[in-house]
Amino acid sequence: AQSVSQHNHHVILSEAASLELGCNYSYGGTVNLFWYVQYPGQHLQLLLKYFSGDPLVKGIKGFEAEFIKSKFSFNLRKPSVQWSDTAEYFCAVPPSNTGKLIFGQGTTLQVKP
Amino acid sequence: ETGVTQSPTHLIKTRGQQVTLRCSSQSGHNTVSWYQQALGQGPQFIFQYYREEENGRGNFPPRFSGLQFPNYSSELNVNALELDDSALYLCASSFAGPPGELFFGEGSRLTVL
Repeated sequence: AQSVSQHNHHVILSEAASLELGCNYSYGGTVNLFWYVQYPGQHLQLLLKYFSGDPLVKGIKGFEAEFIKSKFSFNLRKPSVQWSDTAEYFCAVPPSNTGKLIFGQGTTLQVKP
Repeated sequence: ETGVTQSPTHLIKTRGQQVTLRCSSQSGHNTVSWYQQALGQGPQFIFQYYREEENGRGNFPPRFSGLQFPNYSSELNVNALELDDSALYLCASSFAGPPGELFFGEGSRLTVL
């Protein structure tokens, strides 16, 4: 069965530090990959997505992610985090090109001012 | 603001009771999905509705059921509530077809005592 694993469950950083959140998936077919973010008290929203083409994907608020097929990974990065990036981050994959998403467990990011 | 609205936002039930959660999808979207998010976990896919028919189901028992109405709004019904049903229930709307962005509501927080 398809699955998504996020290695870091809770990350604490100071402002201006660089961020990398790990995501690995187990799925061998056509891969579409998503990162969603949930800010405190807000709804889950799309941060970025990969469907095909350039494996380096840029999203909102300065986030980017790199699809590495050989490693089954789609890690999320940001060169310099801000306090406002404090949120929960979820990696997700739709199995078999279905409309549903399988989410990872999530990573809670806390940025200290 | 996604345009997906859910009600109620919070509710408390006791074991054995039944609950109905409601969702209005974003204008123009014809597909509604429901997810259960337990504390500290990623959202888990319950089912999806398209053209008023169930179009995919996750690993949830039959006491979880749903409806989609002609205006694409949707209900999630859970019978014979159990303590483990306590969670945030998320509704997401989208267009039918290959996976694209899901637009989530803010969720209904269900507590089962």
